[in-house]
Amino acid sequence: QKEVEQDPGPLSVPEGAIVSLNCTYSNSAFQYFMWYRQYSRKGPELLMYTYSSGNKEDGRFTAQVDKSSKYISLFIRDSQPSDSATYLCAMSALGGTSYGKLTFGQGTILTVHP
Amino acid sequence: ETGVTQSPTHLIKTRGQQVTLRCSSQSGHNTVSWYQQALGQGPQFIFQYYREEENGRGNFPPRFSGLQFPNYSSELNVNALELDDSALYLCASSSGLAGGVTDTQYFGPGTRLTVL
Repeated sequence: QKEVEQDPGPLSVPEGAIVSLNCTYSNSAFQYFMWYRQYSRKGPELLMYTYSSGNKEDGRFTAQVDKSSKYISLFIRDSQPSDSATYLCAMSALGGTSYGKLTFGQGTILTVHP
Repeated sequence: ETGVTQSPTHLIKTRGQQVTLRCSSQSGHNTVSWYQQALGQGPQFIFQYYREEENGRGNFPPRFSGLQFPNYSSELNVNALELDDSALYLCASSSGLAGGVTDTQYFGPGTRLTVL
């Protein structure tokens, strides 16, 4: 079983829709949770970063973490065609040899059509 | 753009050969991490370097090795290439003491390696 599970999609939505992306994880040591966006032929870019449980909002993006359920989500409001990309969840733990190591999900391919 | 650069952009090698990939960190960053991203998968952690020392390693064999230089740029070397080594190789730089688990990792565009 992978430490981080993410539905690869693909997910296709009309412009203006609310998009929900999710990841589950099994390692209870994970404390830091991130969402990266990756356009074709580019490196991942950080979208959202959350420590422990709770919500964080940044413009059209909202990240949620539920540590009790080992479940994280990214919501995109008023989705735009420019949001079409692969979305990767990533997590890291505190201390030890995991210091600085990010564990990624498989990535969800999102297409927003006009 | 993150300021992290990688070279070359693309590379084609044959099985058994050796390859060296290069990464220049973002200005002010002292930590570099390398990841392997197979097609349709998320990146997998290879190792991290902080101030020229290896600071954590993922589940990759010893034929994957690295270096970090005094200017914090880095190399990833892969010996005895196998077909399964075909992937996008990403480096990410970060700042702070040993990079820190809370430090944002900024990724470069990657080097796409094809092994025939």
